Amino acid sequence: GAVVSQHPSWVICKSGTSVKIECRSLDFQATTMFWYRQFPKQSLMLMATSNEGSKATYEQGVEKDKFLINHASLTLSTLTVTSAHPEDSSFYICSASTSLTSGGFEQFFGPGTRLTVL
Amino acid sequence: GQQVMQIPQYQHVQEGEDFTTYCNSSTTLSNIQWYKQRPGGHPVFLIQLVKSGEVKKQKRLTFQFGEAKKNSSLHITATQTTDVGTYFCAGVYFGNEKLTFGTGTRLTIIP
Repeated sequence: GAVVSQHPSWVICKSGTSVKIECRSLDFQATTMFWYRQFPKQSLMLMATSNEGSKATYEQGVEKDKFLINHASLTLSTLTVTSAHPEDSSFYICSASTSLTSGGFEQFFGPGTRLTVL
Repeated sequence: GQQVMQIPQYQHVQEGEDFTTYCNSSTTLSNIQWYKQRPGGHPVFLIQLVKSGEVKKQKRLTFQFGEAKKNSSLHITATQTTDVGTYFCAGVYFGNEKLTFGTGTRLTIIP
């Protein structure tokens, strides 16, 4: 199956700093990537849809100025958490979708990035 | 808004027992997908159901999509320790590719 990588896998930062997370589709091109956040023992919450060459579409309640998304190429999307605070500590997961021969699509998830803000 | 609810939240079973998790959407779905997330891992795609009343099997796993395309279930027969993890359904609504994840069911196995 398709492979999606994320870097870094974990990061610890001080409050007020910015953190950039990269999401790459390694063996396929993804016009659409998705960014999720998952708090411990909770479900995945979609933050935004990242489209190559255009602005990201953010879900209701997600601050676009705080969570900057850039989809620079068909294989790379980045999420920057600006001025991070302890409440931003979470597991951030990206995914990239590919079409299924049966119709519809399948999302391949990256391994996730665990962010801890001190 | 569009919501996907999943029950139960937790399930502890003896190894060899069966397990079922149920998913329900507030509105009709285009299709529904199921994912498994192992502890500390990321979600892994299991299957997609598209047709009303569809039933698909993968070895000991049976997936069903309701006639109204609002609910779905995953049934595991004779659970094994390798089945441990959280099972999420994820609904897709007409007109977009977004996944709306259910709340998940965490399965633990008692050896």
